[in-house]
Amino acid sequence: QTVVTQGPSFSVSPGGTVTLTCGLSSGSVSTSNYPSWYQQTPGQTPRTPRTLIYNTNTRSSGVPDRFSGSILGNQAALTITGAQADDESDYYCVIYLGGGISVFGGGTKLTVL
Amino acid sequence: QLQLQESGPGLVKPSETLSLTCTVSGGSIRSSSFYWNWIRQPPGKGLEWIGKIYYSGTTYYNPSLKSRVTISVDMSQNQFSLRLNSVTAADTAVYYCARGDYTVDSWFDPWGQGTLVTVSS
Repeated sequence: QTVVTQGPSFSVSPGGTVTLTCGLSSGSVSTSNYPSWYQQTPGQTPRTPRTLIYNTNTRSSGVPDRFSGSILGNQAALTITGAQADDESDYYCVIYLGGGISVFGGGTKLTVL
Repeated sequence: QLQLQESGPGLVKPSETLSLTCTVSGGSIRSSSFYWNWIRQPPGKGLEWIGKIYYSGTTYYNPSLKSRVTISVDMSQNQFSLRLNSVTAADTAVYYCARGDYTVDSWFDPWGQGTLVTVSS
């Protein structure tokens, strides 16, 4: 069974730039996998995920342009430019595998300090 | 503005069936442009896609749950539902419903606020 891989944690300084990646245990991620990214902030109630990026690089309504999506090599990527304190969250990617099936990555915990 | 709201029992006994309903307001579930999804998150863990349904009744399920899951749609009530049978403690989770795009798979938006289901005797 194909697994969607994400690094477990990342740290970035305020104002810095960080790139989170999302890959496949077998094969490469391409635009045909429609990668999307979701933010979930600890401590919020409810913790409903917020859509950041869909279809590889389209920002969801209201998402600031310091969030961007792309394909880097064989992985999907989420880049945060000019990180802010309230970017400290869990970030999940989702990959469409085909046949109607989508799979979430395990999530990356981003710390801003 | 489209809104989704989950409802159902918050406590289910082991080996029994978990049943949840998602009510869609502010738009019709009878749309050729969207799928309707269930997603869950066990406490302290990541998100897991459970499955989705099209208004026509076409369904797709996570292969790891397929043998226990049924998703159905009730267009007269503008609702879709999840049934998960033979539950265990591992099925304890916050369950979310979410609209999915028919063309851009894996794009889920908006989401319901989620409902916690605990499996315990």
